[in-house]
Amino acid sequence: DAGVTQSPTHLIKTRGQQVTLRCSPKSGHDTVSWYQQALGQGPQFIFQYYEEEERQRGNFPDRFSGHQFPNYSSELNVNALLLGDSALYLCASSLAGLSSSYNEQFFGPGTRLTVL
Amino acid sequence: KNEVEQSPQNLTAQEGEFITINCSYSVGISALHWLQQHPGGGIVSLFMLSSGKKKHGRLIATINIQEKHSSLHITASHPRDSAVYICAVSGDSNYQLIWGAGTKLIIKP
Repeated sequence: DAGVTQSPTHLIKTRGQQVTLRCSPKSGHDTVSWYQQALGQGPQFIFQYYEEEERQRGNFPDRFSGHQFPNYSSELNVNALLLGDSALYLCASSLAGLSSSYNEQFFGPGTRLTVL
Repeated sequence: KNEVEQSPQNLTAQEGEFITINCSYSVGISALHWLQQHPGGGIVSLFMLSSGKKKHGRLIATINIQEKHSSLHITASHPRDSAVYICAVSGDSNYQLIWGAGTKLIIKP
Protein backbone atom coordinates (compact mmCIF):
# COMPACT_ATOMS: atom_id res chain seq x y z
CA ASP A 1 0.00 0.00 0.00
CA ALA A 2 1.66 3.22 -1.18
CA GLY A 3 -0.22 5.47 1.22
CA VAL A 4 -0.96 9.03 0.22
CA THR A 5 1.40 10.40 -2.41
CA GLN A 6 1.89 13.97 -3.56
CA SER A 7 3.76 15.53 -6.43
CA PRO A 8 5.91 17.42 -6.87
CA THR A 9 7.77 17.48 -3.56
CA HIS A 10 9.16 20.97 -4.12
CA LEU A 11 8.19 23.74 -6.49
CA ILE A 12 9.42 27.26 -7.12
CA LYS A 13 7.22 29.76 -8.94
CA THR A 14 7.12 33.51 -9.44
CA ARG A 15 4.34 35.92 -8.55
CA GLY A 16 1.42 35.84 -10.97
CA GLN A 17 2.07 32.33 -12.19
CA GLN A 18 -0.26 29.39 -11.83
CA VAL A 19 0.52 26.08 -10.14
CA THR A 20 -1.04 22.61 -10.03
CA LEU A 21 -0.35 20.18 -7.20
CA ARG A 22 -1.36 16.54 -7.32
CA CYS A 23 -2.44 14.00 -4.74
CA SER A 24 -3.15 10.27 -4.94
CA PRO A 25 -5.13 8.97 -1.97
CA LYS A 26 -4.43 5.88 0.05
CA SER A 27 -5.79 2.76 -1.59
CA GLY A 28 -9.48 2.36 -0.81
CA HIS A 29 -10.00 5.99 0.18
CA ASP A 30 -12.50 8.16 -1.67
CA THR A 31 -12.18 11.56 0.01
CA VAL A 32 -9.37 14.06 -0.35
CA SER A 33 -8.77 17.17 1.76
CA TRP A 34 -6.22 19.89 1.08
CA TYR A 35 -4.47 22.00 3.70
CA GLN A 36 -2.07 24.93 3.56
CA GLN A 37 0.60 25.18 6.24
CA ALA A 38 2.64 28.35 6.38
CA LEU A 39 6.04 28.18 8.05
CA GLY A 40 5.69 27.94 11.82
CA GLN A 41 1.91 27.75 11.74
CA GLY A 42 -0.70 25.03 11.92
CA PRO A 43 -2.45 23.68 8.82
CA GLN A 44 -5.38 25.63 7.42
CA PHE A 45 -8.19 23.75 5.68
CA ILE A 46 -8.58 24.68 2.01
CA PHE A 47 -11.30 22.29 0.80
CA GLN A 48 -12.43 18.69 0.65
CA TYR A 49 -13.45 16.65 -2.37
CA TYR A 50 -15.79 13.69 -2.39
CA GLU A 51 -17.48 12.06 -5.36
CA GLU A 52 -15.69 14.51 -7.65
CA GLU A 53 -17.32 17.51 -6.01
CA GLU A 54 -16.12 20.11 -3.54
CA ARG A 55 -17.93 19.18 -0.35
CA GLN A 56 -16.67 21.89 1.95
CA ARG A 57 -14.40 24.89 1.63
CA GLY A 58 -12.31 26.84 4.09
CA ASN A 59 -11.62 30.55 4.06
CA PHE A 60 -9.57 30.70 0.85
CA PRO A 61 -10.11 32.93 -2.20
CA ASP A 62 -11.35 31.67 -5.54
CA ARG A 63 -7.75 31.63 -6.80
CA PHE A 64 -7.62 28.27 -5.06
CA SER A 65 -9.54 25.62 -6.95
CA GLY A 66 -9.50 21.89 -7.13
CA HIS A 67 -10.64 18.82 -8.90
CA GLN A 68 -11.19 15.18 -8.09
CA PHE A 69 -10.94 12.51 -10.75
CA PRO A 70 -12.94 9.27 -11.03
CA ASN A 71 -9.97 7.35 -9.57
CA TYR A 72 -10.25 9.63 -6.48
CA SER A 73 -6.95 11.41 -7.12
CA SER A 74 -7.09 15.16 -6.79
CA GLU A 75 -5.48 18.35 -7.98
CA LEU A 76 -5.11 21.70 -6.26
CA ASN A 77 -4.75 24.70 -8.58
CA VAL A 78 -3.64 28.12 -7.46
CA ASN A 79 -3.86 31.04 -9.91
CA ALA A 80 -2.17 34.45 -9.78
CA LEU A 81 0.32 33.34 -7.15
CA LEU A 82 1.19 35.72 -4.34
CA LEU A 83 4.25 35.70 -2.11
CA GLY A 84 1.96 34.73 0.75
CA ASP A 85 1.03 31.51 -1.01
CA SER A 86 4.46 30.12 -0.12
CA ALA A 87 3.73 27.19 2.16
CA LEU A 88 3.65 23.43 2.58
CA TYR A 89 0.52 22.06 0.91
CA LEU A 90 -0.73 18.89 2.51
CA CYS A 91 -3.16 16.41 1.09
CA ALA A 92 -5.07 14.00 3.31
CA SER A 93 -7.25 11.11 2.26
CA SER A 94 -10.00 9.33 4.12
CA LEU A 95 -12.92 7.01 3.59
CA ALA A 96 -16.33 8.62 3.79
CA GLY A 97 -18.56 6.85 6.26
CA LEU A 98 -22.08 7.16 7.57
CA SER A 99 -20.87 10.11 9.64
CA SER A 100 -18.65 11.80 7.14
CA SER A 101 -16.74 13.86 9.67
CA TYR A 102 -15.80 10.75 11.65
CA ASN A 103 -13.02 9.59 9.41
CA GLU A 104 -9.33 9.10 10.07
CA GLN A 105 -7.27 11.15 7.71
CA PHE A 106 -3.98 9.92 6.30
CA PHE A 107 -1.57 12.62 5.20
CA GLY A 108 0.84 12.82 2.33
CA PRO A 109 4.37 14.20 2.67
CA GLY A 110 3.32 17.56 1.28
CA THR A 111 4.46 19.82 -1.55
CA ARG A 112 6.69 22.72 -0.56
CA LEU A 113 5.73 25.72 -2.74
CA THR A 114 7.98 28.76 -2.83
CA VAL A 115 6.74 31.89 -4.59
CA LEU A 116 9.44 34.43 -5.49
CA LYS B 1 -10.81 31.73 22.32
CA ASN B 2 -9.64 28.98 19.99
CA GLU B 3 -11.91 25.98 19.64
CA VAL B 4 -8.98 23.62 20.28
CA GLU B 5 -6.39 24.56 22.88
CA GLN B 6 -3.16 22.68 23.51
CA SER B 7 -0.69 22.92 26.35
CA PRO B 8 2.14 23.35 26.71
CA GLN B 9 3.18 25.16 23.52
CA ASN B 10 6.78 24.06 23.99
CA LEU B 11 8.20 21.23 26.04
CA THR B 12 11.82 20.22 26.55
CA ALA B 13 12.62 17.08 28.53
CA GLN B 14 15.42 14.62 29.12
CA GLU B 15 15.50 11.22 27.48
CA GLY B 16 13.52 8.70 29.49
CA GLU B 17 11.06 11.15 30.99
CA PHE B 18 7.29 10.62 30.93
CA ILE B 19 5.68 13.23 28.67
CA THR B 20 2.13 14.57 28.81
CA ILE B 21 0.55 16.92 26.28
CA ASN B 22 -2.94 18.22 26.90
CA CYS B 23 -5.76 19.22 24.59
CA SER B 24 -9.07 20.90 25.44
CA TYR B 25 -11.84 21.65 22.99
CA SER B 26 -15.03 23.67 23.14
CA VAL B 27 -17.06 22.24 20.24
CA GLY B 28 -19.08 19.09 19.78
CA ILE B 29 -16.95 16.44 18.17
CA SER B 30 -17.27 13.09 16.52
CA ALA B 31 -13.60 12.23 17.02
CA LEU B 32 -10.32 13.63 18.28
CA HIS B 33 -7.06 13.13 16.45
CA TRP B 34 -3.47 13.24 17.62
CA LEU B 35 -0.94 13.84 14.87
CA GLN B 36 2.82 14.17 14.68
CA GLN B 37 4.85 16.41 12.42
CA HIS B 38 8.63 16.33 12.13
CA PRO B 39 10.50 19.47 11.01
CA GLY B 40 9.93 20.10 7.32
CA GLY B 41 7.97 16.90 7.02
CA GLY B 42 4.49 15.68 6.45
CA ILE B 43 1.98 14.79 9.12
CA VAL B 44 1.48 11.33 10.58
CA SER B 45 -1.76 10.36 12.24
CA LEU B 46 -1.05 8.80 15.64
CA PHE B 47 -4.50 8.25 17.07
CA MET B 48 -8.13 8.84 16.33
CA LEU B 49 -10.39 8.34 19.31
CA SER B 50 -13.89 9.15 20.43
CA SER B 51 -13.83 7.59 23.90
CA GLY B 52 -11.59 5.95 26.43
CA LYS B 53 -7.97 5.17 25.78
CA LYS B 54 -5.72 3.88 23.01
CA LYS B 55 -2.13 2.66 23.14
CA HIS B 56 0.47 2.22 20.40
CA GLY B 57 3.87 1.20 21.69
CA ARG B 58 5.11 3.96 24.00
CA LEU B 59 2.27 6.30 23.07
CA ILE B 60 -1.00 6.48 24.99
CA ALA B 61 -3.96 8.73 24.20
CA THR B 62 -6.94 9.30 26.46
CA ILE B 63 -10.10 11.30 26.06
CA ASN B 64 -12.77 12.46 28.50
CA ILE B 65 -15.83 13.43 26.49
CA GLN B 66 -17.66 14.97 29.47
CA GLU B 67 -14.73 17.23 30.30
CA LYS B 68 -13.86 17.83 26.61
CA HIS B 69 -10.25 17.01 27.30
CA SER B 70 -7.65 14.67 25.88
CA SER B 71 -4.08 13.83 26.79
CA LEU B 72 -1.23 12.31 24.83
CA HIS B 73 1.40 10.51 26.90
CA ILE B 74 4.82 9.29 25.84
CA THR B 75 6.55 6.81 28.11
CA ALA B 76 10.35 6.39 28.17
CA SER B 77 10.79 9.34 25.82
CA HIS B 78 13.57 9.25 23.23
CA PRO B 79 15.23 11.98 21.12
CA ARG B 80 13.51 10.57 18.04
CA ASP B 81 10.18 11.56 19.65
CA SER B 82 11.16 15.20 19.10
CA ALA B 83 8.48 16.68 16.85
CA VAL B 84 5.40 18.87 16.88
CA TYR B 85 2.36 17.08 18.27
CA ILE B 86 -0.98 18.38 17.09
CA CYS B 87 -4.45 17.80 18.46
CA ALA B 88 -7.32 18.16 16.02
CA VAL B 89 -11.04 17.43 16.20
CA SER B 90 -13.64 16.31 13.71
CA GLY B 91 -16.70 18.45 14.39
CA ASP B 92 -20.21 17.08 14.62
CA SER B 93 -21.37 18.74 11.41
CA ASN B 94 -18.15 19.67 9.77
CA TYR B 95 -15.97 17.74 7.35
CA GLN B 96 -12.81 19.60 8.14
CA LEU B 97 -10.42 19.06 11.02
CA ILE B 98 -10.22 21.85 13.57
CA TRP B 99 -6.57 22.10 14.58
CA GLY B 100 -4.82 23.03 17.79
CA ALA B 101 -1.68 25.15 17.58
CA GLY B 102 0.60 22.20 18.28
CA THR B 103 3.12 21.37 20.99
CA LYS B 104 6.78 21.45 20.05
CA LEU B 105 8.52 18.65 21.93
CA ILE B 106 12.30 18.37 22.25
CA ILE B 107 13.81 15.35 23.96
CA LYS B 108 17.45 15.81 24.91
CA PRO B 109 19.78 12.79 25.12
